[in-house]
Amino acid sequence: LAKTTQPISMDSYEGQEVNITCSHNNIATNDYITWYQQFPSQGPRFIIQGYKTKVTNEVASLFIPADRKSSTLSLPRVSLSDTAVYYCLVGDTIGYSTLTFGKGTMLLVSP
Amino acid sequence: NAGVMQNPRHLVRRRGQEARLRCSPMKGHSHVYWYRQLPEEGLKFMVYLQKENIIDESGMPKERFSAEFPKEGPSILRIQQVVRGDSAAYFCASSPDGQDGEQYFGPGTRLTVT
Repeated sequence: LAKTTQPISMDSYEGQEVNITCSHNNIATNDYITWYQQFPSQGPRFIIQGYKTKVTNEVASLFIPADRKSSTLSLPRVSLSDTAVYYCLVGDTIGYSTLTFGKGTMLLVSP
Repeated sequence: NAGVMQNPRHLVRRRGQEARLRCSPMKGHSHVYWYRQLPEEGLKFMVYLQKENIIDESGMPKERFSAEFPKEGPSILRIQQVVRGDSAAYFCASSPDGQDGEQYFGPGTRLTVT
């Protein structure tokens, strides 16, 4: 499984756009990139998944450059409730998928 | 559509006792995954099950831990003769099939071993 590297923590203010970058230099051809969000004392929640270029949903955008060695999760206009840990995962979804979580990025949004 | 349900939410056991953690997947989901999260750590995969089958248990400790997902009823994670190091949050996730990185997680069971 490709190893991922992301910042341990980030700080932001309400209303700002937040970009969290994840490095995955050894990503394989069949690997997808998936981001999860986890609030304290809760299970992770799926945010977004992509393979290449840009993916957007109602919550976030995911930018993946052509070489796919990194990806950036973009959260538009964050609010206090976006304070959470964000995990970047890389894995092969062909066959079956057992997710491998790192330590994630702790995002703290302040007023 | 109810989400993934886990019970109990909190469980306290003395060293040497058995802990039984239950997970009911989302309706229509036949794939169940168990993860363990130690304090200040990310989630670690333990076991992946389908109905009546263990597909991958590569993350399970070799001793004292077992899991099942019977034809009827919830999935059970059983820890025998618990030790303090078993104290953690145990999360269950489910998916409609095993080919998607999108898994739906339950609220977790927090096990405390005293």
